[in-house]
Amino acid sequence: ETGVTQTPRHLVMGMTNKKSLKCEQHLGHNAMYWYKQSAKKPLELMFVYNFKEQTENNSVPSRFSPECPNSSHLFLHLHTLQPEDSALYLCASSQIAGTAFNQPQHFGDGTRLSIL
Amino acid sequence: DAKTTQPPSMDCAEGRAANLPCNHSTISGNEYVYWYRQIHSQGPQYIIHGLKNNETNEMASLIITEDRKSSTLILPHATLRDTAVYYCIVRVNSGGSNYKLTFGKGTLLTVNP
Repeated sequence: ETGVTQTPRHLVMGMTNKKSLKCEQHLGHNAMYWYKQSAKKPLELMFVYNFKEQTENNSVPSRFSPECPNSSHLFLHLHTLQPEDSALYLCASSQIAGTAFNQPQHFGDGTRLSIL
Repeated sequence: DAKTTQPPSMDCAEGRAANLPCNHSTISGNEYVYWYRQIHSQGPQYIIHGLKNNETNEMASLIITEDRKSSTLILPHATLRDTAVYYCIVRVNSGGSNYKLTFGKGTLLTVNP
């Protein structure tokens, strides 16, 4: 149990569907992250939210739309995805405050997404 | 970005110490070294991190050389459940007070019975 819960664990969707991935952290952290892990490729940072404000968008296509309603919840809304978007999507959280910039990120177990 | 170099794979006998090396020769003075591992079908798990002193927690020990150009993660008594990909990462500031973890390919540690 890492304190970061992602749902669903597995998702299969067609290219024209709209779905959302959910992440919830129970660690009292104030920053949350979305990462993408494609087969045999390193993890890629997608989005960063700090105190509910998006502070980084790592050139992610607009078919991925993040939402952070509060510091404990993070969503990734998906629409008109492509087959190459099939991957493991990981959520992470960390505490950022003042000089505490060295605190580690804690990850959920991800959502395995398959695009048909 | 300070890049890291790790061997692609290592083997270790169950019950023995596993010593995983990492080179980070371009690390700058205020960059931390982090270690994570990823067991198949799970998210990365934080293990330990340090700046320049050796660190120990309930999972592992981190030994950083005096010049900080390399480090070693030590699992004192490896078990079969320690079989995973281990990532050595140097923290990079991505702006403001956020930071980016740049994952490489890591080392696949296989613990054998």
